Amino acid sequence: DAGITQSPRHKVTETGTPVTLRCHQTENHRYMYWYRQDPGHGLRLIHYSYGVKDTDKGEVSDGYSVSRSKTEDFLLTLESATSSQTSVYFCAIRSGTNTEAFFGQGTRLTVV
Amino acid sequence: GENVEQHPSTLSVQEGDSAVIKCTYSDSASNYFPWYKQELGKRPQLIIDIRSNVGEKKDQRIAVTLNKTAKHFSLHITETQPEDSAVYFCAASQGFQKLVFGTGTRLLVSP
Repeated sequence: DAGITQSPRHKVTETGTPVTLRCHQTENHRYMYWYRQDPGHGLRLIHYSYGVKDTDKGEVSDGYSVSRSKTEDFLLTLESATSSQTSVYFCAIRSGTNTEAFFGQGTRLTVV
Repeated sequence: GENVEQHPSTLSVQEGDSAVIKCTYSDSASNYFPWYKQELGKRPQLIIDIRSNVGEKKDQRIAVTLNKTAKHFSLHITETQPEDSAVYFCAASQGFQKLVFGTGTRLLVSP
């Protein structure tokens, strides 16, 4: 494994509640990404980070925010969870712009 | 921004046949093109990648070709085996920006 851990691995939450997913790396990689995976849509980029406090939006960022206060941690927050945010969320890290991305184990989030 | 299209969405082959998956990208500045394999319930893992200064790359039964003029790249798997059954994703990356994935191809290799 590439030293990347996601927590929690599974979560069930109610509509309207805030949820935070954590991605932790021990590789000191500069770039970190959050994706969601849904059937028929592949891996869609939510937000990414290219350094501490440097983040940018991906293709499906509405309803999500992120923070990166330390190199090793990248947090994804759903301010008010909706059923459409039920998905599997993957974090990924990479050291450079044309290098391999390593994925975490994924977090299965269910919003009821 | 970058957009990556991937075809086909599903592909069924007999063991020993070849399989080809194709992707197109929109941003001509993209310079890195990885392919990932995802087995059921697991995380995506890199199987091969190619950079924009190379036209073809091989690794045993797997090869990737890149046509920068046409903005498309392809994954070729020869002598397929049942353990090749999985979902395959292509992706494109430009500069220090996003890594954008295609929608995936479900490959089924029948014995």
